[in-house]
Amino acid sequence: DTAVSQTPKYLVTQMGNDKSIKCEQNLGHDTMYWYKQDSKKFLKIMFSYNNKELIINETVPNRFSPKSPDKAHLNLHINSLELGDSAVYFCASSQAGQGATEAFFGQGTRLTVV
Amino acid sequence: GENVEQHPSTLSVQEGDSAVIKCTYSDSASNYFPWYKQELGKGPQLIIDIRSNVGEKKDQRIAVTLNKTAKHFSLHITETQPEDSAVYFCAASSPGNTPLVFGKGTRLSVIA
Repeated sequence: DTAVSQTPKYLVTQMGNDKSIKCEQNLGHDTMYWYKQDSKKFLKIMFSYNNKELIINETVPNRFSPKSPDKAHLNLHINSLELGDSAVYFCASSQAGQGATEAFFGQGTRLTVV
Repeated sequence: GENVEQHPSTLSVQEGDSAVIKCTYSDSASNYFPWYKQELGKGPQLIIDIRSNVGEKKDQRIAVTLNKTAKHFSLHITETQPEDSAVYFCAASSPGNTPLVFGKGTRLSVIA
């Protein structure tokens, strides 16, 4: 029973293509996130959603469009892929509340743009 | 916004020795400080966390200390084992739905 699952695990695509990464959590959490991890292992927040609503959108190009059909899913669609988009993308979820709580991470999607 | 600095970036220790990783944060409103372990090809996993109303927390071979005044917190791993080899991340967040802000990671190698 995977808590946070992402698909696909690996994605190789050509520049200019459009691709999507899917994420689902079965923890009943209210908040979901997308993080980007570059080749130097830096983990940086991209988006945060709470109950299907966008809370945080860091300085991410508008080629990246997250979509949350319900609070258990947060998908990431990327248009016109560029070489610099190559990275590992992690979905995560946490329970919203008055205090910050543990974030559970998926296994990651390694995106390679060629 | 929050900024988290982490040192060292790489750390090699002999099996059985202790390892210490240090982090500082900038936002005095931050009140939650988790540590994550990331093994090769996997997502980060929480190993221990501490909140700002506590100065120290221990879980078997792992301990975390927090100094709110100085805005720094540290991870201590005692009796290191080869399976402790991984990348470790500290993070900080403030109350509400703010996401975790991560340090840049420490690659720990435990040499048998």
